[in-house]
This record gives sequence, C-alpha cells and structure tokens, in this order.
Amino acid sequence: GENVEQHPSTLSVQEGDSAVIKCTYSDSASNYFPWYKQELGKGPQLIIDIRSNVGEKKDQRIAVTLNKTAKHFSLHITETQPEDSAVYFCAASKGYGGATNKLIFGTGTLLAVQP
Amino acid sequence: DTEVTQTPKHLVMGMTNKKSLKCEQHMGHRAMYWYKQKAKKPPELMFVYSYEKLSINESVPSRFSPECPNSSLLNLHLHALQPEDSALYLCASSPAGRLYEQYFGPGTRLTVT
Repeated sequence: GENVEQHPSTLSVQEGDSAVIKCTYSDSASNYFPWYKQELGKGPQLIIDIRSNVGEKKDQRIAVTLNKTAKHFSLHITETQPEDSAVYFCAASKGYGGATNKLIFGTGTLLAVQP
Repeated sequence: DTEVTQTPKHLVMGMTNKKSLKCEQHMGHRAMYWYKQKAKKPPELMFVYSYEKLSINESVPSRFSPECPNSSLLNLHLHALQPEDSALYLCASSPAGRLYEQYFGPGTRLTVT
C-alpha cells in the first residue's frame, strides 16, 4: 500500500540554525503534501502544504520543496527559535482534485531547538 | 470562528462504560474525521464523513460508533472499550472545495481502565 518515509526521527539544532526534514512517498499518484506541527498536548497544526503542480512554496521562515521525479519532499525551517520545538509530520494524499480525503502520514520528526 | 473544538479534553472510563466524544466546527467545513493517535506515532484514520455521509470506515471495531447529526457536529460513541484503546482521539475537518486540507482539533485524551 501507499507509504511515506520520514527522516530523521529526531533532530536537535541550535537556535538560529536551519532545520531540514525529508519525506519520501511511494504512490506516484499522490498530489498533495501537507506538513503538520504538533506541540505537546495539542492537536496537529497545518503549517504549510504543497500541491504537485508546484516545486517550492515559502511562508516566512518555512519552505517546502517537492521533487516529483524522485518522489521526495522536504520541510526547511530557517532561523529556528525555541518555539519551533515540536513533532513535525509530513503527509501525502491523492486528494487534490477530489479523489480521496485520505492522508498518509510519515512517522514524525521530533525537533528540539536549543537556546 | 476558525477552529475545531473537542469535548471533553480528558476522559477516563471503565471497560463496561458508555461514553461519547464530541467535535464541533463552525467554519462551514463539509468533511469531518476521527483519528486515533498513540504516543510517539502519527494519527491513524478511523472514519471520514463527507457532506454528512460516512465515506470511509477504516475497519474500526464496532465498539466505536461515529455519528454526524449535522454539518457542524461529529460524535464518537464508545462502548465496551479495551485498555489498548487508550489514546488521543483527534477530530479534523475540511473546507468544501478543498477536501484535501485537514484542520485538527486539540483532541480528547482517553484512558480506559
């Protein structure tokens, strides 16, 4: 079945450094790739997403890149701050265009930003 | 109102109890979801309602029974649960026309004793 691999499982950076989290998906029909941030004791928060007709998207300190040929997508956080510390989940879906509502999640990355 | 709300925040129940979890959104979203999340794992999809009709049931045991009384409200009825059902139960919703986007609530932490 469809699978999303996510690396690394844990990531520790110094405040102000950049952080990169990478995901690989298996189903070439996937066309929508959201990223969620989950803080302790809270629900996942959609922070950025990208559709398959776009190669890169930026929102302030956060960017996502997509390589459809390699079936890779990545989250980049620049100038990290302690409040960026959380678990980050990538996901893939064939939902853009209405095929399905189903998200396939990666296994998560625990990001720790050291002050 | 731009959020998904869930009640209660915490619930402790015995294996013979019947309880319900509630989820509400007032954003006009037309799909709603129940997920189960165990510690240090991603959310696992349980049920999807699209336009108030059950569209996906991920082979969830019948001790979990979903209900969507209207487009703003989603319930999950619980009966005869097992200790391994203890988890964070998350509700999510999607806007009409963008059903691929999912917005999560804060969850209900369920403990089955």
